[in-house]
Amino acid sequence: RKEVEQDPGPFNVPEGATVAFNCTYSNSASQSFFWYRQDCRKEPKLLMSVYSSGNEDGRFTAQLNRASQYISLLIRDSKLSDSATYLCVVNNSGYSTLTFGKGTMLLVSP
Amino acid sequence: GAGVSQSPSNKVTEKGKDVELRCDPISGHTALYWYRQRLGQGLEFLIYFQGNSAPDKSGLPSDRFSAERTGESVSTLTIQRTQQEDSAVYLCASSTHMNTEAFFGQGTRLTVV
Repeated sequence: RKEVEQDPGPFNVPEGATVAFNCTYSNSASQSFFWYRQDCRKEPKLLMSVYSSGNEDGRFTAQLNRASQYISLLIRDSKLSDSATYLCVVNNSGYSTLTFGKGTMLLVSP
Repeated sequence: GAGVSQSPSNKVTEKGKDVELRCDPISGHTALYWYRQRLGQGLEFLIYFQGNSAPDKSGLPSDRFSAERTGESVSTLTIQRTQQEDSAVYLCASSTHMNTEAFFGQGTRLTVV
């Protein structure tokens, strides 16, 4: 089983739609969780950290489910500018690396 | 500047040559990461530095790859005897410490011809 798994997509949604991505991780001792977005031929940029209690930032909501070892990202009222690849990132206890999933591509159309 | 800075932004080199890539982390960030991203692929971990601790080199793909960092400052990634499969974007990131979010530079796009 891969350390961090994501559905590669693409997810094609119309503007205004609500879309959700899940990401599963294999190490139950993982400590830190993040969502990044990456635009085509650009570097990844932090979208939001994922806290145990869940967190919301405007149209974006992140949730962590430790029992089932997954994190989720919900995007409400999708904008054209949300089109990007969304990367799930996990930091494993005892390891120094940030492990990236391969990303889920989102395409928002007019 | 306030962000992570990488140089050069683009590098074209001939197969067999050595290349050196540079990363200036955000001031005060003790952790520094190098990743590789081939076209259309995910991020591949290469090496991690945390302060003055021994680096985690577990992601380096071969002994042609090496990296250095002096204290909490600049890091250089060196690829010796480059091969065509080394062509990729090399991304550097820094964070305040191990478990916090990391911020990326714009990357160095390496093309080996």
